[in-house]
Amino acid sequence: AQSVTQLGSHVSVSEGALVLLRCNYSSSVPPYLFWYVQYPNQGLQLLLKYTTGATLVKGINGFEAEFKKSETSFHLTKPSAHMSDAAEYFCAVRGGGFKTIFGAGTRLFVKA
Amino acid sequence: DVKVTQSSRYLVKRTGEKVFLECVQDMDHENMFWYRQDPGLGLRLIYFSYDVKMKEKGDIPEGYSVSREKKERFSLILESASTNQTSMYLCASSPSPVQTVLSPYEQYFGPGTRLTVT
Repeated sequence: AQSVTQLGSHVSVSEGALVLLRCNYSSSVPPYLFWYVQYPNQGLQLLLKYTTGATLVKGINGFEAEFKKSETSFHLTKPSAHMSDAAEYFCAVRGGGFKTIFGAGTRLFVKA
Repeated sequence: DVKVTQSSRYLVKRTGEKVFLECVQDMDHENMFWYRQDPGLGLRLIYFSYDVKMKEKGDIPEGYSVSREKKERFSLILESASTNQTSMYLCASSPSPVQTVLSPYEQYFGPGTRLTVT
């Protein structure tokens, strides 16, 4: 069975600081991994994805994530936070069949 | 760009009413999904459909039904709305692996419907 654990329901950083959002997964099949972002009162949109190939994946808005199979992790990072990054972030993994399993989400706060 | 639209952004209904939430996608995706989103619980899958007239229960199907008569449209029905169904409802679509090599399992979301049942 597939599952996703996001460590920390809330993360607060100062503007310009490193953003690190943690995600661990379990999967009985080769994982397809995703990070989605949700701004207030909107649906989710894809930030980045890992399917196969290069383990360091770059996404939109300066975010990137590294797939580490040995650690079953897919942490999301951004070198320098911007106020506009304040949102909720969801890590997800391919589930059985056509489904996707989502983590509980991490809300990112950015302080001026 | 893929577009997923939902019929209402905000909806207020009374307990016991039958509620229809409509979702339309314009990218010919085979798979469509309905989720509800509640604080601290993430996204929970209610139902999904992998083809016209095909549907499967997700993790929390009780109190809901769905309809997919056309490929682009997936409807969520609350047969008799209750206050514990007050939530944000998100529709998504995704291509099947045979439709795309680049983006299998990637989901495209609508803007959501915030439903309040009083």
